[in-house]
Amino acid sequence: GAVVSQHPSWVICKSGTSVKIECRSLDFQATTMFWYRQFPKQSLMLMATSNEGSKATYEQGVEKDKFLINHASLTLSTLTVTSAHPEDSSFYICSARGVGTQYFGPGTRLTVL
Amino acid sequence: AQSVTQLDSQVPVFEEAPVELRCNYSSSVSVYLFWYVQYPNQGLQLLLKYLSGSTLVESINGFEAEFNKSQTSFHLRKPSVHISDTAEYFCAVTDSGGYQKVTFGTGTKLQVIP
Repeated sequence: GAVVSQHPSWVICKSGTSVKIECRSLDFQATTMFWYRQFPKQSLMLMATSNEGSKATYEQGVEKDKFLINHASLTLSTLTVTSAHPEDSSFYICSARGVGTQYFGPGTRLTVL
Repeated sequence: AQSVTQLDSQVPVFEEAPVELRCNYSSSVSVYLFWYVQYPNQGLQLLLKYLSGSTLVESINGFEAEFNKSQTSFHLRKPSVHISDTAEYFCAVTDSGGYQKVTFGTGTKLQVIP
């Protein structure tokens, strides 16, 4: 089946630094990728839709200047959390749109100290 | 817009007993429905999906779900659970037309008791 990877799987950073998370579709091309955020014991909340070669579409309430998304190729989308703060600590999951479904990455746990 | 309701946040069940995880959805258009499973500290894995055709869909590990349009439900069932089924289960919906955003339910934690 289709595989989506994320790197890193876990990152710890100091408050004020920026963190980049990569999402790759390993064996298929994905023109559309999605970024989700999951707080402990809660469901996934869609943050933004990433389209290859164009600007991402952000959900209401998500700061586009804080969560920078770049979908530079058909197999790679990146999420950069700029000037991270402790409240940004969360589990970030990406997915890539395939045929008839979405394929989810394993997630990246971000801890901001 | 769609919404998904999973009324049960936690479901404890003894090993080898049957289980049903409830999912109801609302939508003004036709939908695709999914069940995902999430093990601790891991991402989501697709368990099963309904796109069209037979309203009863099955997974390879014994789970099944039935799409009921009149009741707007997509309940997940398993006749006999194992310890390894302990996980969080998310019901999700997307519109069948554009297939863009997936809306997730709040999840049901299945706790299998030995």
